[in-house]
Amino acid sequence: SQELEQSPQSLIVQEGKNLTINCTSSKTLYGLYWYKQKYGEGLIFLMMLQKGGEEKSHEKITAKLDEKKQQSSLHITASQPSHAGIYLCGAVKKKGGTSYGKLTFGQGTILTVHP
Amino acid sequence: AAGVIQSPRHLIKEKRETATLKCYPIPRHDTVYWYQQGPGQDPQFLISFYEKMQSDKGSIPDRFSAQQFSDYHSELNMSSLELGDSALYFCASSLRTYNEQFFGPGTRLTVL
Repeated sequence: SQELEQSPQSLIVQEGKNLTINCTSSKTLYGLYWYKQKYGEGLIFLMMLQKGGEEKSHEKITAKLDEKKQQSSLHITASQPSHAGIYLCGAVKKKGGTSYGKLTFGQGTILTVHP
Repeated sequence: AAGVIQSPRHLIKEKRETATLKCYPIPRHDTVYWYQQGPGQDPQFLISFYEKMQSDKGSIPDRFSAQQFSDYHSELNMSSLELGDSALYFCASSLRTYNEQFFGPGTRLTVL
């Protein structure tokens, strides 16, 4: 079973619409990363969240980490065709007080934006 | 800004052959991670290095080995290649273990 659950698995929106992608973990996270990937290409770093309640924005993309540090949401405002791709959340988990930075990923959300 | 460099970008090998993938981290980054992404799957952690020492190990087959050199570049050596090893292999780097990980463009390995 996937340790990180992303929803929805796919999303089709009209250009200009807002959208939200969620990432949920059953365990407390040390850090939560959001990446964007074009099919067959590298992962583009979007944001990293570490503190409960933290919120970061970059251009039209905002990500939040809930207080309990078990869920994150990625929100895109006024979507554009350039936002299309696969969005992956990745998590660093604490292991007995130590973590070595390895990322565990969700299964990804495929975003399609129609002009 | 400088990014993570991976070479080669594409590699085609026959079964039972060996392959070496190289990763050059962002300058001053001291931590390197290797991930494997199969078709339609999310990236899976293989192994990581911090200051040239192995720091963590994931689902890396015994046929694979890796190391980080004095200039912080890393190499992933894969032997006795199998069809199932066909995948995208990503290298990521960070400045210290808990900071942002930046990924390279990946090496697409095809085993025939």
